[in-house]
Amino acid sequence: DARVTQTPRHKVTEMGQEVTMRCQPILGHNTVFWYRQTMMQGLELLAYFRNRAPLDDSGMPKDRFSAEMPDATLATLKIQPSEPRDSAVYFCASGLSSGITDTQYFGPGTRLTVL
Amino acid sequence: AQSVSQHNHHVILSEAASLELGCNYSYGGTVNLFWYVQYPGQHLQLLLKYFSGDPLVKGIKGFEAEFIKSKFSFNLRKPSVQWSDTAEYFCAVTQGGKLIFGQGTELSVKP
Repeated sequence: DARVTQTPRHKVTEMGQEVTMRCQPILGHNTVFWYRQTMMQGLELLAYFRNRAPLDDSGMPKDRFSAEMPDATLATLKIQPSEPRDSAVYFCASGLSSGITDTQYFGPGTRLTVL
Repeated sequence: AQSVSQHNHHVILSEAASLELGCNYSYGGTVNLFWYVQYPGQHLQLLLKYFSGDPLVKGIKGFEAEFIKSKFSFNLRKPSVQWSDTAEYFCAVTQGGKLIFGQGTELSVKP
């Protein structure tokens, strides 16, 4: 049963520290999405890759967040420096884009707490 | 831009009651529609999806949804809920390859 995996599952850090979250998409999927979920804002799309190329990162604060796909099996989301308002659950999702029938499959999330 | 509205923020039902959760989207044309479920402390799981064809879509765990194009709606239904259906339910529509989510509906089922 293929799944999206994310590490770490939980992260507690202090304000100002760098945080790196990792995602392994389902093998063969060509799209990767990063979402942030908070009680106040719900699910927000932060960044979106297709075939490892960033297509949309308009939802991401550019000054502190960065997202990359070093290879087809790894996506990273980095926050530097982290702030308490970044506390949230960060989900990665992957899919196989046909341009018409796209379905996203979500990972278990990384629960980030910034003190 | 496309937007998704889920009018019920929190629904409380007793076991065996019927469920209908509303979902409306703003733009017409060709759309792909989804319902995801998030059990407490877990990630989003796909319940069902609509791309084309029969507007009545059946998903996992006895859920179904009906696409009504004229009403821009994709309501989720289940004839008889169980305590284990307690979760948050998200409706979503694709736009430019991205998923646009509604705010979610929290369902609490009382045993």
